[in-house]
Amino acid sequence: NAGVTQTPKFRVLKTGQSMTLLCAQDMNHEYMYWYRQDPGMGLRLIHYSVGEGTTAKGEVPDGYNVSRLKKQNFLLGLESAAPSQTSVYFCASSYRTGGTYEQYFGPGTRLTVT
Amino acid sequence: AQTVTQSQPEMSVQEAETVTLSCTYDTSESDYYLFWYKQPPSRQMILVIRQEAYKQQNATENRFSVNFQKAAKSFSLKISDSQLGDAAMYFCAYRGSYIIQGAQKLVFGQGTRLTINP
Repeated sequence: NAGVTQTPKFRVLKTGQSMTLLCAQDMNHEYMYWYRQDPGMGLRLIHYSVGEGTTAKGEVPDGYNVSRLKKQNFLLGLESAAPSQTSVYFCASSYRTGGTYEQYFGPGTRLTVT
Repeated sequence: AQTVTQSQPEMSVQEAETVTLSCTYDTSESDYYLFWYKQPPSRQMILVIRQEAYKQQNATENRFSVNFQKAAKSFSLKISDSQLGDAAMYFCAYRGSYIIQGAQKLVFGQGTRLTINP
């Protein structure tokens, strides 16, 4: 059981380049999330999805786009990368209902934009 | 908007001793959930412990326990008998009980880096 996987694990981009980060989960979770982690700021929510074909903005959505064409996949796109997007990106997923259902995190992608 | 504050950027403790990590939060909700996540050097986020706000009893998971003070909006993590494997970044996180725009989102603190001295 792989849980939540992210591709790639590391990437270096030049300013203005584009790329897509792929998140996949095999737990049949309804909800999926993209976070970014910066030093001294914890994790901040970029975008999230409550089901296949739906997406919504989080706390820091500017410069990113997402798509959820399949329930198990959640893609994060950078159309024109900027140095401010240098960060570690985490994908997470969770069950639909509330309570203390936890979010399961992927291993992260370290992105450097030069 | 809810906020979570971890005022200790770094902490250190001797192996086998006890350490307490602090977390405070701000919310107007009466029902919510609190979490502590551990992030070792591997970067993997691991759930350590969770607390429901409606429960008065503090949560405990083996060597990990919390001191939940709802009125003070405080949620500290106590690690007993510290082990070298406990060295990591620890994040406090808040999640409200209301479904906003279809999801329940986590709000994280800034993190506390814990070092274990052998």
